[in-house]
Amino acid sequence: GENVEQHPSTLSVQEGDSAVIKCTYSDSASNYFPWYKQELGKRPQLIIDIRSNVGEKKDQRIAVTLNKTAKHFSLHITETQPEDSAVYFCAARFNNAGNMLTFGGGTRLMVKP
Amino acid sequence: DTEVTQTPKHLVMGMTNKKSLKCEQHMGHRAMYWYKQKAKKPPELMFVYSYEKLSINESVPSRFSPECPNSSLLNLHLHALQPEDSALYLCASTRPGSHTQYFGPGTRLTVL
Repeated sequence: GENVEQHPSTLSVQEGDSAVIKCTYSDSASNYFPWYKQELGKRPQLIIDIRSNVGEKKDQRIAVTLNKTAKHFSLHITETQPEDSAVYFCAARFNNAGNMLTFGGGTRLMVKP
Repeated sequence: DTEVTQTPKHLVMGMTNKKSLKCEQHMGHRAMYWYKQKAKKPPELMFVYSYEKLSINESVPSRFSPECPNSSLLNLHLHALQPEDSALYLCASTRPGSHTQYFGPGTRLTVL
C-alpha cells in the first residue's frame, strides 16, 4: 500500500540553527503534501503545504521542497526558536485514495535556548 | 466561525458504557474525517464522510459507529470499547475542491 517514511524521528537543534526534516513517499502519482505541527496535547496544525506542480514554497522561516523524480519532500525551518519545539508530521495525498492523507511517523523537534 | 470544534475534551468510560463524541464545523466543508491518535504516533484514519455519506471505512471495529446527521455535524458513537481504544480522537474537515484538512482539538478518551 501507500507509504510515507519520515526522518529523523527526533531532532535537537540550538536556537537560531536550521532544522530539516525529510519524507519519502511510494506513489509517484501523489499530488499534495502537507506538513503539520503538533504541540503536546494540541491538535495537528497545518503549517505549510505544496502541490506536485511546484518545486518549492516558502512562508517566512518555513520552506518546503519537493523532488518528484526522487519522490521526496523536505521541511526547512530557519532561525529556529524554542516555540518551534513540537512534533512535525509530513503527509501525502495518494492520487487513487480519494482525499485520504497518509502520514509519516513524525519528528520530535527540540529547540534548545 | 473558522474552526473545527469537538466535545467533550476528555472522556472516561467503562467497557460497558455507551458514549458519543461530537464534531462540528460551520465553514461549509463537505468532507469530514475521524482519526485515532495514540501517543507518539501519527493520526490514523478511521472514517471519511463526503457530502454526508460514508465514503471510507478503514476496517474499523463495529464498536465504533459514525454518524453524519448534517453537513456541519459528525458524531462517533462508542459502545463496548476496550482499554486499547484509549487514545486521542481527532475530527477533521475539508472544503469542496480542496485537499487541506483542518483538525479539531480532539477528545482524549480513556477506557477503563
